[in-house]
Amino acid sequence: DTGVSQDPRHKITKRGQNVTFRCDPISEHNRLYWYRQTLGQGPEFLTYFQNEAQLEKSRLLSDRFSAERPKGSFSTLEIQRTEQGDSAMYLCASSSPRDSGNTIYFGEGSWLTVV
Amino acid sequence: SQQGEEDPQALSIQEGENATMNCSYKTSINNLQWYRQNSGRGLVHLILIRSNEREKHSGRLRVTLDTSKKSSSLLITASRAADTASYFCATDVSWGKLQFGAGTQVVVTP
Repeated sequence: DTGVSQDPRHKITKRGQNVTFRCDPISEHNRLYWYRQTLGQGPEFLTYFQNEAQLEKSRLLSDRFSAERPKGSFSTLEIQRTEQGDSAMYLCASSSPRDSGNTIYFGEGSWLTVV
Repeated sequence: SQQGEEDPQALSIQEGENATMNCSYKTSINNLQWYRQNSGRGLVHLILIRSNEREKHSGRLRVTLDTSKKSSSLLITASRAADTASYFCATDVSWGKLQFGAGTQVVVTP
């Protein structure tokens, strides 16, 4: 499977704990995105990388959230001191500007439940 | 904030019928992409239409784009039970940052 891969698919954590999600983009895609989706809503943009550089962060990304893409390949999204409001699906996506007008491909998402 | 709005919010049809859903947006775009999402799953890319294109087809899917009205439509012809899903339009305003609407929930009954 050469699609966007996310891990873990599901995570239940207690409030106040830290969680980390990993995303492996499609090979050779230099752009990587994180989105968050809550029930009944469309995904909302969180942050964007071009290679290893984080070029934009949404205001939704509080200082408890940090994302990295250290070698321009996989990325991690860490949430510190989780709150119940962080419960959502975290979606990773990747693209290449040379691929059909920058078609953006999403992974299966990582469900987070904070109890 | 979400730029796009899909209409209708929900659509119920029988197998074999066509399903049409619309998307309106507010700002200039580079392209518009349609996605399908089955319950609890990730988004599956359906079609990308560039801002200088007016219509695209892919199998049973037809997408139109009217930049003067800032609107797009997705038509699914000869629907199947497997088409039951939520459908989202997403506008690409710059370098791939997508803005989504709340989606249209489509239910296709056998």
